[in-house]
Formats: sequence, structure tokens, C-alpha cells
Amino acid sequence: QKEVEQNSGPLSVPEGAIASLNCTYSDRGSQSFFWYRQYSGKSPELIMSIYSNGDKEDGRFTAQLNKASQYVSLLIRDSQPSDSATYLCAVMGWNFNKFYFGSGTKLNVKP
Amino acid sequence: EAQVTQNPRYLITVTGKKLTVTCSQNMNHEYMSWYRQDPGLGLRQIYYSMNVEVTDKGDVPEGYKVSRKEKRNFPLILESPSPNQTSLYFCASSSPSGRYEQYFGPGTRLTVT
Repeated sequence: QKEVEQNSGPLSVPEGAIASLNCTYSDRGSQSFFWYRQYSGKSPELIMSIYSNGDKEDGRFTAQLNKASQYVSLLIRDSQPSDSATYLCAVMGWNFNKFYFGSGTKLNVKP
Repeated sequence: EAQVTQNPRYLITVTGKKLTVTCSQNMNHEYMSWYRQDPGLGLRQIYYSMNVEVTDKGDVPEGYKVSRKEKRNFPLILESPSPNQTSLYFCASSSPSGRYEQYFGPGTRLTVT
């Protein structure tokens, strides 16, 4: 079983719609959770971090964490073609040392 | 400008020829890490360092070495590269005070023939 699981996609949404990206993790003791965006041929860039249960909003992005269900999600409102990228979910281990990444979900936003 | 730099960006080498990929950060971060990215496998952690002279294995350390003699530098060493180490490599840094939000370097594309 992988530490972090994501649907590889591609997820296709029309411009202006809400894109919903999901991630599950296996280490129940994990404390820190991150979403990165990666354009083709580029390095990952941090979008959101979340550390406690509930929602965290930043502009068009909302991260949601449910530790009981070991589930993290990212909502992108008013999706734009420029949001088309691969989104990586990352989890930091319980003792704040190792990082585990999902294999990423490819998002296509169609004009 | 706060950044993580890696060199070289592209490297083609032959099996068994030792190589070093350098990584440097100017953010005074304590935590540094190396990853490799392969299609369908996502980012996998090779080694990480919590601070100077403190390093530990990630998930895929076989065939790699690291050292952390200075806070800003964290080189990745392949002493005898093999074709299965052909990959895209990323260095990243972060800090406990920044809640370990990682900043990534631009990547090094390595091909071993």
C-alpha cells in the first residue's frame, strides 16, 4: 500500500467550474499536509498547507483535512486554463522527518 | 531572491562514472531533501537532512550518498551510476519555523547510459 494515494486523472473541468482533487494517506500519525502544483517540465510549487481538521481557504483554493478518514482534498474555484497542471499531495511523517508524495492528479481546464 | 539552486540542470553520463549534483539554498533552512521523480511513481524521497551533519535515508536511498557539511549545501553523490538511476532529480529545502513548507530547486535531468 502506498503512503499517499491520488487518482492519476486526468480530471477535466470546464473553465469557471470547481475542480475537486482528492488524496488519502496511510500513516494515521501524520501531522502536516501539503498541495503542490507542477507544470510540465517544471518543479513543484507550494499551493496550500494544512495542519488541522477542517477547511483552509486561500483565494480560489480551499484545502480540506479529515484526519479521522485520513483524507485531504483541494478545491479550486473558478478554474482557469492556467490551472491546468499536475497536483501533488504530500504528507509529512508523524515525527517530522520524511515526506511522502502521491503520484499526482493531472487537471485539464478547458476554455 | 530566495531560491534553491541545482547544478547541473542536465547531465548525460555513462554507467559507473561517479557524479555529484549540487544543491544550495539561501533561505537559512535547516531541512533539505533530495527526490527523484519518475513517470507514474511521483516524487520519492532519497535522503533528507534535518541540519548540518544530520542526514537520514528516505524511501529510495540505494545507490546514492549525501553529505551536509554546511547549512546551505546538500550535494547528492552517485558513486557508480546505473541506468535505473536515470530520472529527474529535485532538491528542496524547508524550515520548522516555516512548518516544513518546501521550496524546490529547478530540477536536474540525469540520463545514465
